Amino acid sequence: EAQVTQNPRYLITVTGKKLTVTCSQNMNHEYMSWYRQDPGLGLRQIYYSMNVEVTDKGDVPEGYKVSRKEKRNFPLILESPSPNQTSLYFCASSSMTGGEAEAFFGQGTRLTVV
Amino acid sequence: GNSVTQMEGPVTLSEEAFLTINCTYTATGYPSLFWYVQYPGEGLQLLLKATKADDKGSNKGFEATYRKETTSFHLEKGSVQVSDSAVYFCALREDSNYQLIWGAGTKLIIKP
Repeated sequence: EAQVTQNPRYLITVTGKKLTVTCSQNMNHEYMSWYRQDPGLGLRQIYYSMNVEVTDKGDVPEGYKVSRKEKRNFPLILESPSPNQTSLYFCASSSMTGGEAEAFFGQGTRLTVV
Repeated sequence: GNSVTQMEGPVTLSEEAFLTINCTYTATGYPSLFWYVQYPGEGLQLLLKATKADDKGSNKGFEATYRKETTSFHLEKGSVQVSDSAVYFCALREDSNYQLIWGAGTKLIIKP
């Protein structure tokens, strides 16, 4: 079954404690991205990657890091989380066959930073 | 730059009512247009798409037509069900840039 798997689904952490949210896809997609979803703001892209070892900033990259060492994995790293990073996070992947390619989403990670 | 504007919610309807959720866009090229749906507690999933002017995307009784002259991609359904309650997102993507540009989302509430 084609899927994007994120872990954990829920996470409560304290300010400044480094954390990683994992994302893995089994569709051999080149393009992967991270979004955050906040009420009234829709989806905002944090980082994206078009291939292994190729990553780039999205619209709201401050306070986040990513890596793409393998094609299937695209972890999101918060080195020093702050309360304004409390949000719902989604990982997504798609092929790069054209603009019409469908994006597949993970189930989401609800992060609370206290 | 490219952008997507969709009607604010929440939209509240009774079961079997007709649904329209408006979506308009601005784009420099010829984008593909999408509607994604997010059911409570889940990730987004593709509902339908259209890749060129006058194309109609359809799925699960929902339809949307790519109107280049009005730069619109309105979502419609003839008779909604309680199970259609969700958040609906309009989005576009151009071939030259794989970034999806999103609308703010419209929450749809269907009452029995």
